[in-house]
Amino acid sequence: QVHLQESGPGLLKPSETLSLTCAVSGYSIRSTYYWGWIRQPPGKGLEWIGTVWHTGSAYCNPSLKSRVTISVDTSKNQFSLRLNSVTAADTAVYYCVRHDDGYVNFDSWGQGTLVTVSS
Amino acid sequence: QSALTQPRSVSGSPGQSVTISCTGTSSDVGGYKYVSWYQQHPGKAPKLMIYDVTNRPSGVPDRFSGSRSGNTASLTISGLQAEDEADYFCCSYAGSYIYVLFGGGTKLTVL
Repeated sequence: QVHLQESGPGLLKPSETLSLTCAVSGYSIRSTYYWGWIRQPPGKGLEWIGTVWHTGSAYCNPSLKSRVTISVDTSKNQFSLRLNSVTAADTAVYYCVRHDDGYVNFDSWGQGTLVTVSS
Repeated sequence: QSALTQPRSVSGSPGQSVTISCTGTSSDVGGYKYVSWYQQHPGKAPKLMIYDVTNRPSGVPDRFSGSRSGNTASLTISGLQAEDEADYFCCSYAGSYIYVLFGGGTKLTVL
């Protein structure tokens, strides 16, 4: 059974870069599935950030595209998120997810990690 | 692109049925078979309940069903149980630029 686990700093200052890693266990990241990131500001709804395939091919939310990089490390069976120039509006629980080629069938989720942006 | 539109809250008594709507456009909900629904309990990660408009993943009770009419998708929960009280989010593919849209979420209260 696949297990996803996010890791990374929980507190950032404005203008810094958010870097999170999702370790995948119980399943090869080289499979036919896609891997992505979704965030949820406290008390609010879900926002898709982006998706990457094991080849490194990625696509992102156009509203975040200029600040987002999603990459994959198949040797470590993990993938990562970088979000540049963070502001308070980027404060959220960040989830890593898995989905099939149905684009929105997020069938496995990490537990989520809270990232707070504050000076 | 705006988020998909869901009612902020719905409620029902145990044993009753409730339906949560998710309204989009012909460029998202009405245009593709890729619509999914998620259940989220407080402090927990969302859980996939319905995919491809009508399909249930293994392990999801058949009390949960999905449908679509035009640009509106719906999640129906029959035989309400106390553990169904949660937030529910719809999600749709929106083409090869926007890609993924979520609804704002609906809080289900079991009275």
